[in-house]
Amino acid sequence: DAGVIQSPRHEVTEMGQEVTLRCKPISGHNSLFWYRQTMMRGLELLIYFNNNVPIDDSGMPEDRFSAKMPNASFSTLKIQPSEPRDSAVYFCASKGGGGNTEAFFGQGTRLTVV
Amino acid sequence: EDQVTQSPEALRLQEGESSSLNCSYTVSGLRGLFWYRQDPGKGPEFLFTLYSAGEEKEKERLKATLTKKESFLHITAPKPEDSATYLCAVLSGGSYIPTFGRGTSLIVHP
Repeated sequence: DAGVIQSPRHEVTEMGQEVTLRCKPISGHNSLFWYRQTMMRGLELLIYFNNNVPIDDSGMPEDRFSAKMPNASFSTLKIQPSEPRDSAVYFCASKGGGGNTEAFFGQGTRLTVV
Repeated sequence: EDQVTQSPEALRLQEGESSSLNCSYTVSGLRGLFWYRQDPGKGPEFLFTLYSAGEEKEKERLKATLTKKESFLHITAPKPEDSATYLCAVLSGGSYIPTFGRGTSLIVHP
C-alpha cells in the first residue's frame, strides 16, 4: 500500500483565496483525521471522520474551515477565505481495525498564506 | 481532559551515548499509547503501540516501556540517523482520537 497520500505537498496562496487540501487514506481504513501542526501548538486535531461521517469537528477553528469525506477513499479540507494565521503543516491520518489501533500519517501539506 | 507531557523538549547526544525520552500522561482509562518518529518535512512515522503497564516493545536501537503513569523510549547506542522528533500519543476512555504530546527533538552528533 502506498500509505496515506496528501496533495499538494506545498501550497502558497494569497490572503483571501480559497485553499483545498486533499487526502487519500489507506485502503480499508475506516477512520480519518485531519491535524494541523505548528511550532507554537504542536499537533492539533481539526476533525475526525468514521465511516465517512464527521464524528468530532470541535477542533475546526472557525467557519472558514470545512471538511468533507464523500467516500471511503477521499477527503478534503477547505479554507475559505484563507488568512496568514492559517499557515501551518496540515496532516491527514487514517486507521483501521479496532478502536485501539494506531493511526498512519501522510506526508503533509505545508500551507503558506501571504 | 487528557494530558500528555513529553520531556525533555530537546536532547543532544553523542553517538553511542544511550538515553531515555519520557512521556507522562493523565488520562481516564488508557486504551493505548503510541510512539512516532517525525523527520523534518515529513509526517509522523509509527513506531510502537503499548496497551498495558509492564509491556515492552523493541525495534533496532529503540525500546519502549509503559507504566501506569508514563512511558519511556530508550535509545541504546544512538546513531546520527536516529536524529528526529519523537512524538507520544494516547487513546483513552471512550475516545477514538489520539491526543499527542509536543514531542522531544533528538539530535545525535557523530
